Amino acid sequence: QQPVQSPQAVILREGEDAVINCSSSKALYSVHWYRQKHGEAPVFLMILLKGGEQKGHEKISASFNEKKQQSSLYLTASQLSYSGTYFCGTPGVDSTDKLIFGTGTRLQVFP
Amino acid sequence: DSGVTQTPKHLITATGQRVTLRCSPRSGDLSVYWYQQSLDQGLQFLIQYYNGEERAKGNILERFSAQQFPDLHSELNLSSLELGDSALYFCASSVGLAHQETQYFGPGTRLLVL
Repeated sequence: QQPVQSPQAVILREGEDAVINCSSSKALYSVHWYRQKHGEAPVFLMILLKGGEQKGHEKISASFNEKKQQSSLYLTASQLSYSGTYFCGTPGVDSTDKLIFGTGTRLQVFP
Repeated sequence: DSGVTQTPKHLITATGQRVTLRCSPRSGDLSVYWYQQSLDQGLQFLIQYYNGEERAKGNILERFSAQQFPDLHSELNLSSLELGDSALYFCASSVGLAHQETQYFGPGTRLLVL
């Protein structure tokens, strides 16, 4: 089942903060976050694992609430380069490990 | 540059035709994934291969097929093309199967069916 992201779109000025949420109706083993600029490939941002471990880079943080089956991506002091569509991905609940990507959140940062 | 390569970059063809998209994973990666992304839509998982074997299937049409070869490159075959098949097709690769593995995406093949 596809994770649901909110909000659908965000418009920011440089330096402002944003939070993007990802909710699943199923138990989460991990949550993967990607950013995609228009017409380009998705780029890995972060993985959050059950148990609190995080793997990622860049100046972006995230949280993972296993009980609520939710993850949130925190973008602080946004830069123009943060513009793009953000996708969360969660593994299917079967053993096949494929990622099901969320509906996407479009972020636009203006100077 | 993710290290995943895809060819061709662009493909324009007519309805009813057949095309083959090619993907070379990052060195050392055994898993290959194929995704379809229609205009301004999300990433739809099509199929996954691990070390030459089909591992998982998503919403892949019967007109589409894929395989992974012994050198680990993969091909996605799309046949009897329809206008609605126009999309960006991404390939991604990861080291293994575990759900904590990072997937690295290739630059995509943009398919236009006229």
